[in-house]
Amino acid sequence: SQQGEEDPQALSIQEGENATMNCSYKTSINNLQWYRQNSGRGLVHLILIRSNEREKHSGRLRVTLDTSKKSSSLLITASRAADTASYFCATDSGTSYGKLTFGQGTILTVHP
Amino acid sequence: EAEVAQSPRYKITEKSQAVAFWCDPISGHATLYWYRQILGQGPELLVQFQDESVVDDSQLPKDRFSAERLKGVDSTLKIQPAELGDSAMYLCASSFLFGSGSQYFGPGTRLTVL
Repeated sequence: SQQGEEDPQALSIQEGENATMNCSYKTSINNLQWYRQNSGRGLVHLILIRSNEREKHSGRLRVTLDTSKKSSSLLITASRAADTASYFCATDSGTSYGKLTFGQGTILTVHP
Repeated sequence: EAEVAQSPRYKITEKSQAVAFWCDPISGHATLYWYRQILGQGPELLVQFQDESVVDDSQLPKDRFSAERLKGVDSTLKIQPAELGDSAMYLCASSFLFGSGSQYFGPGTRLTVL
């Protein structure tokens, strides 16, 4: 079962623009993680934000978490063609040995 | 940089045949996960191991799927018999921390059942 819902399902932008993806979830969480998946490949961990954190940065990535609204957003600044990929949020509810429940993903296309 | 290894990368089989996938996690990672990812969807956990013990197999179709991690290192996922609906990407991941933390994924095995 998929806990997260991601919005938009697909996003197309030009190189240099910012990309924002949103994730909503249903149950309380221990942490929320974002992963990237290039076409036909495995997932790569991008960033983890704990339930007591509100914002986190890593390079060109900025993640926010609003536990009252059960939502998170991933912002990629100054996007590059190499950022073209699917992006997934995954929630760890803290009740099942670190089990992650993934959303459906957002397909990001960055045009050169 | 250490990586999770999976083989084969691609597998084509006919329905009712048996298939097996292999995964070697990052050295020192005690927790190992098998996920199934249907095209256009996010990964869904099939089974999770802590060392050689299964800690979660609630979503594993046990009538046809089996998984083992006999020595607590590498792992095998088997499907017997394969069905058309099993066509998907099978991903293996490992993590250092038990119970929380980021997971490291292998490249996956793309299974096509004809």
